[in-house]
Amino acid sequence: AQTVTQSQPEMSVQEAETVTLSCTYDTSENNYYLFWYKQPPSRQMILVIRQEAYKQQNATENRFSVNFQKAAKSFSLKISDSQLGDTAMYFCAFMKPQYNNNDMRFGAGTRLTVKP
Amino acid sequence: EPEVTQTPSHQVTQMGQEVILRCVPISNHLYFYWYRQILGQKVEFLVSFYNNEISEKSEIFDDQFSVERPDGSNFTLKIRSTKLEDSAMYFCASKASAASTDTQYFGPGTRLTVL
Repeated sequence: AQTVTQSQPEMSVQEAETVTLSCTYDTSENNYYLFWYKQPPSRQMILVIRQEAYKQQNATENRFSVNFQKAAKSFSLKISDSQLGDTAMYFCAFMKPQYNNNDMRFGAGTRLTVKP
Repeated sequence: EPEVTQTPSHQVTQMGQEVILRCVPISNHLYFYWYRQILGQKVEFLVSFYNNEISEKSEIFDDQFSVERPDGSNFTLKIRSTKLEDSAMYFCASKASAASTDTQYFGPGTRLTVL
């Protein structure tokens, strides 16, 4: 079974600074997908960034980038130039591609607060 | 941008009562999911649904749970006889196709409180 671990329940960062959220996972699969989802207060989860395990290049989306270390089974999220709107719960998730089913396994989440 | 919607946002019920949580997936999506998050714990997969049948379910999804797509728009989760430990946030998600590259879109969740 796949497990996802986020070891930082809460983090804070000053506006405009950089913060890194940690995620590790455990799997015996070779092909899989990893995700970071953001859940602002009282809002739904939205996809921030995704990484395919077969791609060596780290995914980037504007101010968001990942450090994907497949051998170490680590998938950290870096947020550059943090903004107040980045305040949210961040979930790391794992998905094993399966026909007709792509259920996701989530970590416990990291609550990020961006301070002005 | 299309969104997954869920109703109600908060449901309070007595132990032993039946509850139905409702979700309206994005209109052209074909794959549907329910997840739950007990307060302070991780989001857990419950069930996936495609072509009017369950594709996969977790060990959490026992006989007390059922899902249905009663019409072309709604996707419901029923808990037949609620227990205290069913108190959680329940998230619905939908996806356009079976392609692993497709994104799952999540609803805002329904907070279920069982008293």
